[in-house]
Amino acid sequence: KAGVTQTPRYLIKTRGQQVTLSCSPISGHRSVSWYQQTPGQGLQFLFEYFSETQRNKGNFPGRFSGRQFSNSRSEMNVSTLELGDSALYLCASSTGTVNSPLHFGNGTRLTVT
Amino acid sequence: KNEVEQSPQNLTAQEGEFITINCSYSVGISALHWLQQHPGGGIVSLFMLSSGKKKHGRLIATINIQEKHSSLHITASHPRDSAVYICAGGKTSYDKVIFGPGTSLSVIP
Repeated sequence: KAGVTQTPRYLIKTRGQQVTLSCSPISGHRSVSWYQQTPGQGLQFLFEYFSETQRNKGNFPGRFSGRQFSNSRSEMNVSTLELGDSALYLCASSTGTVNSPLHFGNGTRLTVT
Repeated sequence: KNEVEQSPQNLTAQEGEFITINCSYSVGISALHWLQQHPGGGIVSLFMLSSGKKKHGRLIATINIQEKHSSLHITASHPRDSAVYICAGGKTSYDKVIFGPGTSLSVIP
């Protein structure tokens, strides 16, 4: 079974631009969650989607948004990029039930210059 | 005070040693994850616990919901166990997950 696939692996953008990251979950998984990892703040939860609906949201500004498609693939968008948005962005998929384990992708490393 | 705390922050062990990493939390967590992150960023989910104890190979994880405490044990440690170990929890496994700061483990041959 293929794992969670995130594209692209690396991305360099300049301040003010926007970026879209993609996450393809494990086949059959309906939940996709997104996380930001920085040296200063560690891992932080961004949001979680299940069957195309956002179920949970972390404490991030509205510049961070996401969506999920009918095939469970998810995209995350960051608009008006700031230097502080430089981070490793990870997604994870699961079946979406109460005690289902998370399966992580390898992440997208975003650098904002 | 952080909502999820881990100890120790850094740990160096000799190959073969028994290792314990602790996690304590102050919020209403019902589902707790233990994650392993190697250099380069990839994260592997080791365990998801809601009660009791789980074992997988040389790894054992326990959780005490009443005491809001979990431990990850590694028996017969090996250099390939060198990684950052992170505990994280939420009301459910997919809920807004709160992460601990991680424990950096280095196992020396």
